[in-house]
Amino acid sequence: GEEVAQTPKHLVRGEGQKAKLYCAPIKGHSYVFWYQQVLKNEFKFLISFQNENVFDETGMPKERFSAKCLPNSPCSLEIQATKLEDSAVYFCASSLQWVRDSTYEQYFGPGTRLTVT
Amino acid sequence: ILNVEQSPQSLHVQEGDSTNFTCSFPSSNFYALHWYRWETAKSPEALFVMTLNGDEKKKGRISATLNTKEGYSYLYIKGSQPEDSATYLCAFQEGGKLIFGQGTELSVKP
Repeated sequence: GEEVAQTPKHLVRGEGQKAKLYCAPIKGHSYVFWYQQVLKNEFKFLISFQNENVFDETGMPKERFSAKCLPNSPCSLEIQATKLEDSAVYFCASSLQWVRDSTYEQYFGPGTRLTVT
Repeated sequence: ILNVEQSPQSLHVQEGDSTNFTCSFPSSNFYALHWYRWETAKSPEALFVMTLNGDEKKKGRISATLNTKEGYSYLYIKGSQPEDSATYLCAFQEGGKLIFGQGTELSVKP
């Protein structure tokens, strides 16, 4: 599609439950990025993919968080055993290319708001 | 830890005022600086990607400049309109990711 699609829009989970978020990048885009917005306006990088391969996972928490991008499927971000501090808006972005010494825009989806109660 | 700072945190102006805000970033290992416009509950919208020292880019009433040697970028809005009210985010490109500043919230009153 022409826009990054994220589902669901809102997700409510009890503490300890699993949460799974989905992202469909713009058709033809090879790179997918996940960001977590916890505090007002603070976008924290989690992980990026080049097609189905992890590109950069330096922001990914070591425990409970995992992500995948499989061929012909939306990308997913999964949180096992959610905690209250996981409550945030999770944004996905995609990019046609991503090269260190070149510049490409990241196109963002509308986000998934996760509330852990 | 790489730091991207934006100032001011928030700005309230009257319709018709021109305004500007600042993004500061590390001057070493520079690849690119991105500016986004974001309204809550919507997708951040890309404004500019800036790469070269001295770069100046313009989109309508919004323009941006870049100084990579001293590590700052300015975003200017000429003749602000109420529809310009949003949060303006800058992001430093590092490897496979963007490192965001905390944004400047702009409110334009009619």
